[in-house]
Order: sequence, then C-alpha cells, then structure tokens
Amino acid sequence: DVKVTQSSRYLVKRTGEKVFLECVQDMDHENMFWYRQDPGLGLRLIYFSYDVKMKEKGDIPEGYSVSREKKERFSLILESASTNQTSMYLCASSLYKASTNEKLFFGSGTQLSVL
Amino acid sequence: AQSVTQLGSHVSVSEGALVLLRCNYSSSVPPYLFWYVQYPNQGLQLLLKYTSAATLVKGINGFEAEFKKSETSFHLTKPSAHMSDAAEYFCAVSDHSSASKIIFGSGTRLSIRP
Repeated sequence: DVKVTQSSRYLVKRTGEKVFLECVQDMDHENMFWYRQDPGLGLRLIYFSYDVKMKEKGDIPEGYSVSREKKERFSLILESASTNQTSMYLCASSLYKASTNEKLFFGSGTQLSVL
Repeated sequence: AQSVTQLGSHVSVSEGALVLLRCNYSSSVPPYLFWYVQYPNQGLQLLLKYTSAATLVKGINGFEAEFKKSETSFHLTKPSAHMSDAAEYFCAVSDHSSASKIIFGSGTRLSIRP
C-alpha cells in the first residue's frame, strides 16, 4: 500500500513564525498536493506539484509556498504564520501527472494552530 | 471552472436505514467524479470513482453512486447503514483545465443512530 507520511500530527506556532510542513510518499508518485481542510469549507487546494522542482498554484496559494527538491518529498512553507492559517493540512499524492482521474492517497493530516 | 456542491452538511440516519448523500457537479465537459470518506482522525480514502465506463459505480463497504448527466448529479447511496459508516464524506470532481487537479466539495458528516 502507498504510504503518505506527514511529519507532525499536531503543531502549535506563534504568529509571524516560519513554519514547515513536510510530506513524504513512498511509491514514486509523480503528483503531490497540499490541501487545507476547514469545517464547512471542505478541502481547498493550496499548491500541487507534478514533477521535481515544478509547482502550480491551487485555489488559495496566498501566504504559502512549496518546495519539491526530491520526488518523494513535498514541503509546505508558511513564510510568516498568521492566525487565519490555523487549520488541518492534508498532503496527498497520485501516480501519473498526465491523468485527470487518478486516485489520491492522503496522509493523516497536520493540525496547525497559530497563536 | 468545475465545482461540486454537496447538499446537507450533516445527515443522520438510523442503523439499517438507507443512506443518501447528495452531490451535484458543474462541468462543461464530461467530468471524472469521486467520493472520498474520512474516518475520525484519519486522512481521506477513495470510496469510488466515475470515469464514464458505467453510470452506476460500486465502491467499497457497500456504497454505490449513480452518474446522472441530465441532473448533473452523482449521489452516494448505501441500502443499509452500519454504525461503522459514521464519517465525513466528500464528493470531488476532476478539473480538466489542469491535469491531475481535483476539486472537493464542502463535505457531509454522516451520523448513525443506534
């Protein structure tokens, strides 16, 4: 089975801090995604990447950046954390970049609280 | 852009009763549609997906969904609810404008009454 691992289950940070959320997948998937999940809003796509060093903005990229230096690792960076970035962050991966019907494999999520 | 709308943020049914979770999509081209489930404190996992091969799609745990183009719907059903079905369910659509991008609905929390 594919495993998508997020480095932290819970994280508490202060306003203004730089925050790194890490995600690793172990099945050589081409695509990786970062979503945030908020009650009543479902999942919203922040950024995704279909190849090493490639990235595309999702629907809510403001205040975030990403890094994909290796195929298996996709990092989400909050340059200066703010309280409105308190949320559950979900990482996902899928196999083929050219396909639009691929199954997503999700990590367990990181609950980030910004105080 | 494509989107999905899930009607009802919370649905409660009795154990053994029919489960019906509603999803409507908007798309100018035939979409790919998905249902994902999220159990408490877990990530999402795929229940089923529609890729135009058949309008009635069977998934895991006894769930199925029917694609109805005339109604732009992809409702999820299960004939008899089980306590273990309590979870949050998300409908999702593939965005043809960008390969691999999947757009999610706002989710429906399913509760099962004993």
